[in-house]
Amino acid sequence: KQEVTQIPAALSVPEGENLVLNCSFTDSAIYNLQWFRQDPGKGLTSLLLIQSSQREQTSGRLNASLDKSSGRSTLYIAASQPGDSATYLCAVRKVPSPGSSNTGKLIFGQGTTLQVKP
Amino acid sequence: DGGITQSPKYLFRKEGQNVTLSCEQNLNHDAMYWYRQDPGQGLRLIYYSQIVNDFQKGDIAEGYSVSREKKESFPLTVTSAQKNPTAFYLCASRRGAAPNQPQHFGDGTRLSIL
Repeated sequence: KQEVTQIPAALSVPEGENLVLNCSFTDSAIYNLQWFRQDPGKGLTSLLLIQSSQREQTSGRLNASLDKSSGRSTLYIAASQPGDSATYLCAVRKVPSPGSSNTGKLIFGQGTTLQVKP
Repeated sequence: DGGITQSPKYLFRKEGQNVTLSCEQNLNHDAMYWYRQDPGQGLRLIYYSQIVNDFQKGDIAEGYSVSREKKESFPLTVTSAQKNPTAFYLCASRRGAAPNQPQHFGDGTRLSIL
């Protein structure tokens, strides 16, 4: 059974600091991994999608890496800002079981809640 | 602008009542999903649909029902059989069944019991 874990559950940093959020998964049979941001009371905003054949993806101050063999992904945020405060979730799209009609189920971690202090 | 619209934003249910959450997308996406989010837990899949007039149960389908009569619409009904319906409900969609397509989410509906 695929399990996705995000540690720590919460993180508080001063503005301007570079930081790393961690995501680990137990089964390397995945198609891709997606990082999301969720603001309080809001839906999820897709940040980055890394295919299983890729090592990393970048968007602005965000860089996500994927090491499928070790079951780990990191989200690097450079020069953090108060506006980065949110919950960050990672999700892996698992390869379906033989005979399954679902073309890859998305399995979510519980998220890391980030607070960037001015 | 293209996107996923969920309504209402807040919904209250009385005991024994069925309620329906709306999800509409104008992204021309084939696949649509319903998730439930509880505090301290990850998102859990309720139902999904990969094509019009077809849908499958997710991990926690008991007490819920869906329909997919139109490509752009995937309403979720929370029935009286769902004994613990208080949660944040999220609708999502993606372009096709290919696994390399990213998933996009609406802004959610918060359901509470009166």
